[in-house]
Amino acid sequence: QKEVEQNSGPLSVPEGAIASLNCTYSDRGSQSFFWYRQYSGKSPELIMFIYSNGDKEDGRFTAQLNKASQYVSLLIRDSQPSDSATYLCAVHILTGGGNKLTFGTGTQLKVEL
Amino acid sequence: EPEVTQTPSHQVTQMGQEVILRCVPISNHLYFYWYRQILGQKVEFLVSFYNNEISEKSEIFDDQFSVERPDGSNFTLKIRSTKLEDSAMYFCASSESAGSMGTEAFFGQGTRLTVV
Repeated sequence: QKEVEQNSGPLSVPEGAIASLNCTYSDRGSQSFFWYRQYSGKSPELIMFIYSNGDKEDGRFTAQLNKASQYVSLLIRDSQPSDSATYLCAVHILTGGGNKLTFGTGTQLKVEL
Repeated sequence: EPEVTQTPSHQVTQMGQEVILRCVPISNHLYFYWYRQILGQKVEFLVSFYNNEISEKSEIFDDQFSVERPDGSNFTLKIRSTKLEDSAMYFCASSESAGSMGTEAFFGQGTRLTVV
């Protein structure tokens, strides 16, 4: 069973702090990794993707990937109340004919004033 | 900015009825998907579609479900003989490719299906 695991939270951080969200995955064939943000009742919104080991930065967001440890994380710097949402980790495995994302259950982030 | 659009935003249907959920993927994307999310649960893959045929489907996607690209822009999910447990948010998504790059999937705003 290919699993993606996340701590459901909620993770509470004060405004301006760094939020650190973590995700582990079980399938070593996983090739691409995505972070989506989902506000309550809304659709997943892609915020970051990473394919190679190491760090990838985009504005206030940094994705980190360690394939040896099967671990991917998302750092949000200078957290804002508008960042309060559920963050979904998704993993893509390249298959012969298909193409799908396997999602974790998401981590709820609360940024407090 | 190009986006995936879905209609309707909310569909209420009686148990046993058929529903068709509609999607217009991003125009230069080649891969199309349906996912669903039951309230309070995780996003689950249903089916992927490429070159006018299903490329992968999950165990959820049984004979009750079918997909179609009836023309050059629309992508539909048909659910026959709906059951109470089909109540969920259904998301359409599309991506440029399925290779090691360009697999980023962009989601539509979803259709909330309520079966009564």
